[in-house]
Amino acid sequence: AQSVTQLGSHVSVSEGALVLLRCNYSSSVPPYLFWYVQYPNQGLQLLLKYTTGATLVKGINGFEAEFKKSETSFHLTKPSAHMSDAAEYFCAVSDQGNNDMRFGAGTRLTVKP
Amino acid sequence: DTGVSQDPRHKITKRGQNVTFRCDPISEHNRLYWYRQTLGQGPEFLTYFQNEAQLEKSRLLSDRFSAERPKGSFSTLEIQRTEQGDSAMYLCASSLGSGSAAGRPDTGELFFGEGSRLTVL
Repeated sequence: AQSVTQLGSHVSVSEGALVLLRCNYSSSVPPYLFWYVQYPNQGLQLLLKYTTGATLVKGINGFEAEFKKSETSFHLTKPSAHMSDAAEYFCAVSDQGNNDMRFGAGTRLTVKP
Repeated sequence: DTGVSQDPRHKITKRGQNVTFRCDPISEHNRLYWYRQTLGQGPEFLTYFQNEAQLEKSRLLSDRFSAERPKGSFSTLEIQRTEQGDSAMYLCASSLGSGSAAGRPDTGELFFGEGSRLTVL
C-alpha cells in the first residue's frame, strides 16, 4: 500500500523567501503524486500533479515540484513566498488506478511579513 | 461547471444521535470518495464508489458508518449512535475514473468539496 511522509508539520518563511515543503512516498507501483492546498474551513484544492512524463511539474500560484524516483521524493517549491500562500499543504500518492489516494499529515506554511 | 457540493457544512449533535451527510459530485464523474479529516491531520480514506458500487471500505469505517450511492450520482454518509470521537471534517471527492462513460483516461485527480464539519457534544 502507498504511504506519504511529510517532513515538518510547520514551516515558517519570510515574504519573498524560498518555500520548500518536503514529501517522501512509498509505493510498490509507479505512483501518481499530488500536492493539495487547504485554506481554513475549505476543501482541498489541487496545486499540481505528477502522473507520467516530465519529472518537473508546474502548478498554480507559482508552485512546482520534482519527482525523484531514486529518492522517492516529491518536494514542493516556490521561489518567492507571498502572504497569500499561508495555508495547509498536503502531499498525496495513489496507484495508477487511483483506487484510493493516501495523504500525508500536512505541513502548515506560515509567511511572515 | 459546478464543483462537488456537500450538505450540511456544519452539524452539531449530541452523543448517541444519528447524522447524515450528503455529497453531490461533479456530474460526469463516476467515482466518489469519502474521507475523514481530524484537526492537524491529513484526510483519511473511508470508502469509495464507482458508479453505484461501493468498491472499497477502510477499517476506519465501523459498523456505525454506512455510505450509499443509490443511483450512481449523489451519495450519503450516515453515522449512527454518534460518539465524541466521530467529531471531524467529512470530505467528499469525485473523479473521472477508468471505465467512465466519458471515455477519458484516468488522470488520478480528485476534486474535493468543502466538507461537512461534525461536532459531537
